[in-house]
Amino acid sequence: SAVISQKPSRDICQRGTSLTIQCQVDSQVTMMFWYRQQPGQSLTLIATANQGSEATYESGFVIDKFPISRPNLTFSTLTVSNMSPEDSSIYLCSVEPTRGQGNPDTQYFGPGTRLTVL
Amino acid sequence: KQEVTQIPAALSVPEGENLVLNCSFTDSAIYNLQWFRQDPGKGLTSLLLIQSSQREQTSGRLNASLDKSSGRSTLYIAASQPGDSATYLCAVNGNQFYFGTGTSLTVIP
Repeated sequence: SAVISQKPSRDICQRGTSLTIQCQVDSQVTMMFWYRQQPGQSLTLIATANQGSEATYESGFVIDKFPISRPNLTFSTLTVSNMSPEDSSIYLCSVEPTRGQGNPDTQYFGPGTRLTVL
Repeated sequence: KQEVTQIPAALSVPEGENLVLNCSFTDSAIYNLQWFRQDPGKGLTSLLLIQSSQREQTSGRLNASLDKSSGRSTLYIAASQPGDSATYLCAVNGNQFYFGTGTSLTVIP
């Protein structure tokens, strides 16, 4: 199975600033995903990031607010821009394993980044 | 849009007790359903995956069932242990993963 790390693990930020979250995978994967988990809420898909193409955003999420980079098959970043207290959440990246590297019907998740915006 | 509901939101049981967590979903057009465990700072861990054509899956003390026609799944945990304390998430996989809000389980020694 894929091993995923995220940086930072947590941060406290001031409103109006931006934070970039990094996601690193120990193997090459095609599909990477970014989720948000607001306090007391379920995970919500922000966008799907495929290497070599623009990220695909879900309804309610826009590129200006959550720009995503996917420079290669093992790395992605999510930036939370112009933050407000409502952006306080856990942000998780996940990957769909490549055939032979795990169950293709599931996703593997990183440990998450806990963001608090003051 | 798929909606996934989990009941109860929180559960506290003494060690050794058997328990059942419930998950319901509104759209039966799914590929599979998964139960995840979420521990603080450790992301999500997949526990059991049930394909849409299956009725149940078992792994150790865990048994998950799926009734796709009624939009329900249960996770049965036998002989609970303090190490089982975590949040349990149900996710249905249609064209994307849709997660429930989870059940926070505390097993009291």
